[in-house]
Amino acid sequence: QVQLQESGPGLVKPSQTLSLTCTVSGGSIRSGSYYWSWIRQPAGKGLEWIGRIYTGESTNYNPSFKSRVTISVDTSKNQFSLKLSSVTAADTAMYYCARDPIGQSGSSDSWGRGTLVTVSS
Amino acid sequence: SYELTQPPSMSVSPGQTASITCSGNNLGDKYACWYQQKPGQSPVLLIYHDSERPSGIPERFSGSNSGNTATLTISGTQAMDEADYYCQTWDNNTAVFGGGTKLTVL
Repeated sequence: QVQLQESGPGLVKPSQTLSLTCTVSGGSIRSGSYYWSWIRQPAGKGLEWIGRIYTGESTNYNPSFKSRVTISVDTSKNQFSLKLSSVTAADTAMYYCARDPIGQSGSSDSWGRGTLVTVSS
Repeated sequence: SYELTQPPSMSVSPGQTASITCSGNNLGDKYACWYQQKPGQSPVLLIYHDSERPSGIPERFSGSNSGNTATLTISGTQAMDEADYYCQTWDNNTAVFGGGTKLTVL
């Protein structure tokens, strides 16, 4: 059973870069059968897709984030990461990493428990 | 950008059928999936490919998608089904979520 675990600073200052890591256990991130995604959710609000990466390092990003977002993968550590630059209070949210099986119409079948990131000085 | 619209809330009596809609332009030409999220928990995939259930998801959850509307149907709704429900689709290589529907079972 695959498990995903987000980690990273819970507090980030405005204008700085938010950096989070998702560690995958119980399965190899090198598997060509999945995309690996980041989704966020402000408190009391809905889900917002940030982007995803495929093992071959091809990425898709939500245009709403323009050039602020970078998702990368480290196969040696079985991890993938999110970097979001120039953060503001609007980036305060619970951040989830998730696994998207190829051929399941872009759905996410396994999610981490989420990590809360607050943007504040 | 593409938008998905869900009713913010709805209520259903235990044992009855709940139908949660998700509307988007020509949504029926795309695939839709559905998630359930309970307070303090991560979302759980209920339906993918419009109507497919992952293993472990009860048969009372079903989905359909046609025209401009995808629908999640919960048959014989139970108290444990009280949660937020989100639809999702893809448009131009971007995932899009609906705003979510809070289902109350009372």
